[in-house]
Amino acid sequence: AQKVTQAQTEISVVEKEDVTLDCVYETRDTTYYLFWYKQPPSGELVFLIRRNSFDEQNEISGRYSWNFQKSTSSFNFTITASQVVDSAVYFCARPPHNNDMRFGAGTRLTVKP
Amino acid sequence: EAGVAQSPRYKIIEKRQSVAFWCNPISGHATLYWYQQILGQGPKLLIQFQNNGVVDDSQLPKDRFSAERLKGVDSTLKIQPAKLEDSAVYLCASSLEEYGQGFHYGYTFGSGTRLTVV
Repeated sequence: AQKVTQAQTEISVVEKEDVTLDCVYETRDTTYYLFWYKQPPSGELVFLIRRNSFDEQNEISGRYSWNFQKSTSSFNFTITASQVVDSAVYFCARPPHNNDMRFGAGTRLTVKP
Repeated sequence: EAGVAQSPRYKIIEKRQSVAFWCNPISGHATLYWYQQILGQGPKLLIQFQNNGVVDDSQLPKDRFSAERLKGVDSTLKIQPAKLEDSAVYLCASSLEEYGQGFHYGYTFGSGTRLTVV
């Protein structure tokens, strides 16, 4: 029922490597939002990005970039030159309706020095 | 701007006991959410308030869970009696937007309460 799938459970990289976190979503809607959140060991969910379905432009913010592909229902997240501080669980999410944020299972990223 | 405050940070109880969690959202945020996050999973919505009214509690196990948001500000989530499977992190979030208005502002999450039921 309009799921968000993050197939990668855990990823481990060495510092300075690039890493891409995959997100595939299901939707029957023509208008929708997609989100990425970061959950560091402290536990709170930190908002990274919101994408409207009308805007298919890729976005770059510092070392972070997002690739939104409606044709494949994917919204992938790439960290360039990863750092140890990037170690966290990353969640892709979308609200199927109203204000209810539905999360994927998350990808645990470990960046080793 | 102060964030979403939650307490306690950690709680350990025995099964069949009761427990309550408290959340103070960001001032002025109309919508408040409680999520349950079981280890290794994404957060799952339990209940959503707009001001002091419930707009969605379809996933709240009402035989043991209850929540209220008095005066449309603070909220408490209670579990009575607790079961082993209730062990999880309970996250509170708030949003400036009202129910159905979209996601222009997004959510702000608290640090959560980690509950262990033994």
